[in-house]
Amino acid sequence: EPEVTQTPSHQVTQMGQEVILRCVPISNHLYFYWYRQILGQKVEFLVSFYNNEISEKSEIFDDQFSVERPDGSNFTLKIRSTKLEDSAMYFCASRSNTGGSSPLHFGNGTRLTVT
Amino acid sequence: KQEVTQIPAALSVPEGENLVLNCSFTDSAIYNLQWFRQDPGKGLTSLLLIQSSQREQTSGRLNASLDKSSGRSTLYIAASQPGDSATYLCAVWWSSYKLIFGSGTRLLVRP
Repeated sequence: EPEVTQTPSHQVTQMGQEVILRCVPISNHLYFYWYRQILGQKVEFLVSFYNNEISEKSEIFDDQFSVERPDGSNFTLKIRSTKLEDSAMYFCASRSNTGGSSPLHFGNGTRLTVT
Repeated sequence: KQEVTQIPAALSVPEGENLVLNCSFTDSAIYNLQWFRQDPGKGLTSLLLIQSSQREQTSGRLNASLDKSSGRSTLYIAASQPGDSATYLCAVWWSSYKLIFGSGTRLLVRP
């Protein structure tokens, strides 16, 4: 069964550095998402992306964050000038275009640790 | 504000029991509702998707119901097994572009 794949599985970075989290969505999917989960807390929506532009974003997704679909298969989340509170599990997700009735499929996540 | 609440936060049952997990949501104007399973340190696995026009969906030992007017959904797990131990998350689509999660119910099925 097709899967959403995320790399790396674990990333450690120093405060103030930039990180790029990478995702390969399922190949025929058209809607792409990033979520995060701080340890012990809810899964939180960050951003959705469709037709090469942001569809919706949360208040968390400020100027520190950006997304890109650089080559038709990858979907990336860039976090500039990382802070300690950015430490979390980041999940990529995708779904197909079937009128809103298709389930969201998640990757296994990238655990980001900011030291 | 659109919010999803799950009760109980944690549940421990002996193997073989049938159990019900509850989910409630504000604002009944939903598109769909989706149930997920999350194992510790892992990603989210989609279990069931209920469209707003549906009342229930079944997959194996799992049955999810939806009552839009009262803002509730339940996930019924029949004949629970230790392998069912995980966190179960309820999530609501209020638009095509954003899925909002509850805090989850952490289930432990004791052998």
